[in-house]
Amino acid sequence: DIQMTQSPSSLSASVGDRVTITCQASQDISNYLNWYQQKPGKAPKLLIYDASNLETGVPSRFSGSGSGTDFTFTISSLQPEDIATYYCQQYDNLLPNTFGQGTRLEIK
Amino acid sequence: EVQLVQSGAEVKKPGESLKISCKGSGYSFTSYWIGWVRQMPGKGLEWMGIIYPGDSDTRYSPSFQGQVTISADKSISTAYLQWSSLKASDTAMYYCARKGGSYHYWGQGTLVTVSS
Repeated sequence: DIQMTQSPSSLSASVGDRVTITCQASQDISNYLNWYQQKPGKAPKLLIYDASNLETGVPSRFSGSGSGTDFTFTISSLQPEDIATYYCQQYDNLLPNTFGQGTRLEIK
Repeated sequence: EVQLVQSGAEVKKPGESLKISCKGSGYSFTSYWIGWVRQMPGKGLEWMGIIYPGDSDTRYSPSFQGQVTISADKSISTAYLQWSSLKASDTAMYYCARKGGSYHYWGQGTLVTVSS
């Protein structure tokens, strides 16, 4: 199985800050990487797919980059409504399509 | 509009069986894989398995192989996740999601509570 190592596990930042989360795959997954946002009691919401493509309707302050084994997710200017847990997921044809452990984002 | 609508919350006793559902609409149900994801209380997301309703090709995560059964009835555009004998540790929220390249569409989740 491909292991996804996501860091940090939690993060506290101020409104307006630039926030970065990283995800490392245990083997090359090309660009088959998603980033999700999950708020309490809600289903995960896809923000970024194919490592860097913004899902329709998602604000442009969210972005993703990387390929191969190393990936980065960025919020350029943190907003109060961005408080959530964020997950990466690889969806290479190699199953299972594993998730990272999650990053809990809080407002400082 | 693509939609995945899951069945309602369930409360079961240990040892009981259960089958929850995920009904797809707004697209060709037989042309996309449907995956299942578990989220235990306060924990992260775990990918369980996936089915291609077109031919019922099913794959499981090693962690869930033998613990659950995934199936689909393409005549009613519905995928299923079932247990033959529930355990307290099966208490979780379960999500279905459509894989079309990526997982763009998700169901609203089904909460399963197993308690004596």
